[in-house]
Amino acid sequence: EPEVTQTPSHQVTQMGQEVILRCVPISNHLYFYWYRQILGQKVEFLVSFYNNEISEKSEIFDDQFSVERPDGSNFTLKIRSTKLEDSAMYFCASSANAGGRTDTQYFGPGTRLTVL
Amino acid sequence: GDSVTQMEGPVTLSEEAFLTINCTYTATGYPSLFWYVQYPGEGLQLLLKATKADDKGSNKGFEATYRKETTSFHLEKGSVQVSDSAVYFCALRGTYKYIFGTGTRLKVLA
Repeated sequence: EPEVTQTPSHQVTQMGQEVILRCVPISNHLYFYWYRQILGQKVEFLVSFYNNEISEKSEIFDDQFSVERPDGSNFTLKIRSTKLEDSAMYFCASSANAGGRTDTQYFGPGTRLTVL
Repeated sequence: GDSVTQMEGPVTLSEEAFLTINCTYTATGYPSLFWYVQYPGEGLQLLLKATKADDKGSNKGFEATYRKETTSFHLEKGSVQVSDSAVYFCALRGTYKYIFGTGTRLKVLA
């Protein structure tokens, strides 16, 4: 069964450094998403992406965040200057379409980001 | 705005006990509803879903029925196992995003 993959599984970085989290969505999916989960808390939406544009973003997704689909398979989340509070599990998801009743988002295993 | 409310955890049960995890939602219209499970150290796995009122989603012995009248989507299982110990998230589907509840941790004791 096709699945969403994410790399790395764990990233440790120093505060102020840039990090890039990588995702390979399911191959025929057109909509891509990033969510984050601070330890012990709920999963929060960050951003959705379609046709090389951001469709929607949350208030968490400020100017230090950016997303990109650099080629036909990868989808990346860049955090420009990491802060301690960026430490979280970041989940990538993809779906075949958006908004339809039968649409389902499929989540990757997550990247745990630790900012020291 | 849209929101999901789940019962507080943790829920601790003995093996073979009956499980209910309550979930209610607030939304415009009738969104699709989902239960996701997160095992320790792992990502989110889709457990079941329902896309319209009165639909029943089921998987691995878990069930949930989409109740429009009570805006609820409670998760049930007749006989839990130790291997069901995990965090369970209720979610609704907005236009471009999922909105998750806070999660309910389930611990099943042998």
